[in-house]
Amino acid sequence: EIVLTQSPGTLSLSPGEGATLSCRASQSVSSSYFAWYQQKPGQAPRLLIYGASSRATGIPDRFSGSGCGTDFTLTISRLEPEDFAVYYCQQYGSTPLTFGQGTKVEIK
Amino acid sequence: QVQLVQSGAEVKKPGASVKVSCKASGYTFTRNTMHWVRQAPGQSLEWMGWINAGDHNRYYSQKFQGRVTTTMDTSASTAYMELSSLRSEDTAVYYCARDSGRDWLLDYWGQGTLVTVSS
Repeated sequence: EIVLTQSPGTLSLSPGEGATLSCRASQSVSSSYFAWYQQKPGQAPRLLIYGASSRATGIPDRFSGSGCGTDFTLTISRLEPEDFAVYYCQQYGSTPLTFGQGTKVEIK
Repeated sequence: QVQLVQSGAEVKKPGASVKVSCKASGYTFTRNTMHWVRQAPGQSLEWMGWINAGDHNRYYSQKFQGRVTTTMDTSASTAYMELSSLRSEDTAVYYCARDSGRDWLLDYWGQGTLVTVSS
């Protein structure tokens, strides 16, 4: 099983600032099979990024993903009020599909 | 537009079973695999398994083997997940999530069903 470790656990930032979220895998993940999700309280996760760097339909371009091998990054260029949420990384290249423990982006 | 609408919250006693439904619309149901993912209170997401809507092949995470059963009613565009021998640790929100058709990518999710296991 591929274990995904996200850092930091919590990011305290102000609207307009940039955010960098990291995810490290316990073994190499093909970039084709790496995703990021956003989840707000009481809601289902929403797909943001797939294939490590491709934005899902309707996702604004302030969200970008990068990385390969065991290290992946989600960058939010300028935080909007609606971006404060929990973000999960996920690998979907091998079973069991696994998720990171999440990074909470909160308002400072 | 793609929509997955799940059944309502359930309260079950330890040892019982629960069956959650997920009704799909906005796409051809038989073309996509359906996954099930759960989230315990305050915790991350945990993948449980999938069922192919075309041939009904299934694959489950080893953790849930023997306790989970996924089925589909293609005439009703509805997927089901049944979990048996419930224990308190199974208290969670259970989600269905559609496979995009591209390498197990989960692109659309149901709203979630809270299952509470309590004596």
